Amino acid sequence: NAGVTQTPKFQVLKTGQSMTLQCAQDMNHNSMYWYRQDPGMGLRLIYYSASEGTTDKGEVPNGYNVSRLNKREFSLRLESAAPSQTSVYFCASRDRAGANVLTFGAGSRLTVL
Amino acid sequence: GNSVTQMEGPVTLSEEAFLTINCTYTATGYPSLFWYVQYPGEGLQLLLKATKADDKGSNKGFEATYRKETTSFHLEKGSVQVSDSAVYFCALSEKTSYDKVIFGPGTSLSVIP
Repeated sequence: NAGVTQTPKFQVLKTGQSMTLQCAQDMNHNSMYWYRQDPGMGLRLIYYSASEGTTDKGEVPNGYNVSRLNKREFSLRLESAAPSQTSVYFCASRDRAGANVLTFGAGSRLTVL
Repeated sequence: GNSVTQMEGPVTLSEEAFLTINCTYTATGYPSLFWYVQYPGEGLQLLLKATKADDKGSNKGFEATYRKETTSFHLEKGSVQVSDSAVYFCALSEKTSYDKVIFGPGTSLSVIP
């Protein structure tokens, strides 16, 4: 029973490089989310997907793109990484019809030099 | 827009002390309210929740009561343990816009023996 799985756990990039953070959930949840966590800022919503085929911007979408590949997978892409995107990224999913609770992955720590 | 405010800490308590972490919210409707906990090096996990006014959520000795008149959801525990050291996040989810979950900045708690 894996829950929400994120890869990679750690990544170091140079400014201008691109990368994709992968997220998959095995709980048949409809909604999926990407948050970033920065010291003193708490969690800020980057993008979310209410269902397969739909995505919406959150509080801080600039510099990111997302893809809801299917019901299980929701990826986050940085096309041209900047030092300001150094952060810990969390993927989460939620069963809208059930307990209405977010289940989080373990996080991906990204450093942009 | 919707928002969550909570005391940022850090909070340092001795074992068996009483804990209160204040949380207030701004919302246009009648949100569901949550407390999530993040242990070092891990993702967030649900601690407790309340879905309507005067509901009390409880788990692992922690409690919080949904107070509509003061728009608050303060977290309390009568006797903290070293194992309660973590970051605690208050969050809300609007019933009319289920898909957005807004978090407070988090409160870091350290419990010393």
